[in-house]
Amino acid sequence: DTAVSQTPKYLVTQMGNDKSIKCEQNLGHDTMYWYKQDSKKFLKIMFSYNNKELIINETVPNRFSPKSPDKAHLNLHINSLELGDSAVYFCASSLQERTDTQYFGPGTRLTVL
Amino acid sequence: KQEVTQIPAALSVPEGENLVLNCSFTDSAIYNLQWFRQDPGKGLTSLLLIQSSQREQTSGRLNASLDKSSGRSTLYIAASQPGDSATYLCAVRSGAGNKLTFGGGTRVLVKP
Repeated sequence: DTAVSQTPKYLVTQMGNDKSIKCEQNLGHDTMYWYKQDSKKFLKIMFSYNNKELIINETVPNRFSPKSPDKAHLNLHINSLELGDSAVYFCASSLQERTDTQYFGPGTRLTVL
Repeated sequence: KQEVTQIPAALSVPEGENLVLNCSFTDSAIYNLQWFRQDPGKGLTSLLLIQSSQREQTSGRLNASLDKSSGRSTLYIAASQPGDSATYLCAVRSGAGNKLTFGGGTRVLVKP
């Protein structure tokens, strides 16, 4: 029944490793997003995709690469992880880009040691 | 560049009191404004969405107003309950990329 799901929920890894976070939505939405919530709890947009096409790409290091194999999935791959990448990453979706409510996943807590 | 501010950062009230949460934004050219609730260690739950053409939205004990020209929104929660304890986030959709910009949140504690 879960609308927006993310895996894994927790991810602990060493500096320099490469890791992926997966996101899936079963709402039939066209647009998906990735957000980062840092230790001070500020939420910032990283990427958004509409119908598998990249719409927003904020000032994010190119170590972060989103991939959307289809409309229902938006995965986030991170290369050469750094300590500063430790945060909670949220996936979200909305029916359309501009006017609709965004629905968030439960988050993935990434800890880089 | 859109900036969203929420005041106060934290609020503690006795059960039954009404809650008033404030949100201000710098660029009034918005598409909509959304209020979310976040429980500790959990994701965000959407509470209310106000389109730029609307002045307010209501859902149960929640009422959100929007004054676009002054760059303000207020979330009212009537007759607060301990279960209302959470962090409330305001987010504004604006800009060429239809970005959602979040405020820092107001952490609410309702004491029984």
